[in-house]
Amino acid sequence: KQEVTQIPAALSVPEGENLVLNCSFTDSAIYNLQWFRQDPGKGLTSLLLIQSSQREQTSGRLNASLDKSSGRSTLYIAASQPGDSATYLCAVISGGSNYKLTFGKGTLLTVNP
Amino acid sequence: KAGVTQTPRYLIKTRGQQVTLSCSPISGHRSVSWYQQTPGQGLQFLFEYFSETQRNKGNFPGRFSGRQFSNSRSEMNVSTLELGDSALYLCASSPEGQVYYEQYFGPGTRLTVT
Repeated sequence: KQEVTQIPAALSVPEGENLVLNCSFTDSAIYNLQWFRQDPGKGLTSLLLIQSSQREQTSGRLNASLDKSSGRSTLYIAASQPGDSATYLCAVISGGSNYKLTFGKGTLLTVNP
Repeated sequence: KAGVTQTPRYLIKTRGQQVTLSCSPISGHRSVSWYQQTPGQGLQFLFEYFSETQRNKGNFPGRFSGRQFSNSRSEMNVSTLELGDSALYLCASSPEGQVYYEQYFGPGTRLTVT
């Protein structure tokens, strides 16, 4: 059974700081890994998707890496801004023909002005 | 392209009632998945439909059911509501059901059971 863990559960940083969010998963047989952002009471916004054959993806100030063999992914946010404050969720797709998305519990990020 | 839409956005029901939630995927997407989000359990997979067929199902009781129509729109139904069913229900669509493709989420339906 796939399990996804995100550390830390919460993080508070001053504006302008670079930060790293961590995600680990127990079954390395994944199809892809996706990072999402969720604002309070809202749906999920996709940030980055990394296919199992890829090592990293970049979008603006965001960079996500994937080490499938060790079951780890990191989301790097450069020059953080107050608008980055949200919950960040990591999800993996795995399961063979019965594939599904398995989510971590998320990291609540607060960027202080 | 319009995003994934979900209706209604908010619902209040009483225990024992049933409820139907609707999801319209992004145009051209044939895969629709449903998730339940609660503070305690986080996001949990309910089921996935592709071309009107349920392909995958999570570990939820039979009170939770769904269907998909020929235009890819999907509905989920919860019968005999319990207090623990209070949650944010999210649907996601994906193009052609390929696992490599991104999942695009709707804004969710907030269900409160009293």
